[in-house]
Amino acid sequence: DQQVKQNSPSLSVQEGRISILNCDYTNSMFDYFLWYKKYPAEGPTFLISISSIKDKNEDGRFTVFLNKSAKHLSLHIVPSQPGDSAVYFCAASVGAGGTSYGKLTFGQGTILTVHP
Amino acid sequence: DTGVSQNPRHKITKRGQNVTFRCDPISEHNRLYWYRQTLGQGPEFLTYFQNEAQLEKSRLLSDRFSAERPKGSFSTLEIQRTEQGDSAMYLCASSFWVSPGQETQYFGPGTRLLVL
Repeated sequence: DQQVKQNSPSLSVQEGRISILNCDYTNSMFDYFLWYKKYPAEGPTFLISISSIKDKNEDGRFTVFLNKSAKHLSLHIVPSQPGDSAVYFCAASVGAGGTSYGKLTFGQGTILTVHP
Repeated sequence: DTGVSQNPRHKITKRGQNVTFRCDPISEHNRLYWYRQTLGQGPEFLTYFQNEAQLEKSRLLSDRFSAERPKGSFSTLEIQRTEQGDSAMYLCASSFWVSPGQETQYFGPGTRLLVL
């Protein structure tokens, strides 16, 4: 039962262009969503989050969009840089009114490669 | 703030042996989580603590697994009678949570376990 799905195993983009990573979820109880970046042999690093009471959150080059009706979120990276090459995971937690209640459920990850 | 630390970083053991991992969270973080990640998958929740209380355990956590957080600071995860299927990356994360509110989990570098 994969409650969080990242259907694209990999994505390749040119430096300076936009990277769009997608994530779908099935559990309507999910209320708080996060994106993590992971390099080989390291733990996931937090990038950006969004609660269900918002539809967009920006932090520098990173923007996360949430479409609750479609149960879909996306991460936009603009402009993409070679150092962004990593595995990106979306994660979700159950909550209410924008409050998260603990454990994260992760997608399978998308490998992003940014070519110089 | 030195971040979440985990020891050892790597562990090779023979099937049937017991192993113990340690996690030191970010100071003053009241929640501590354990996840397991296998190749090509996202991290999967195992268990978590709020202070010293273990609040939830996944069905993935068989009777051979036990976790403690005796003084609400560091935590240990023990696997008894290891099996080859236990080979994975074991990740620890910590967060500061106040009700009501959102929490962001920060991950350590992980302990990679190989059971021969």
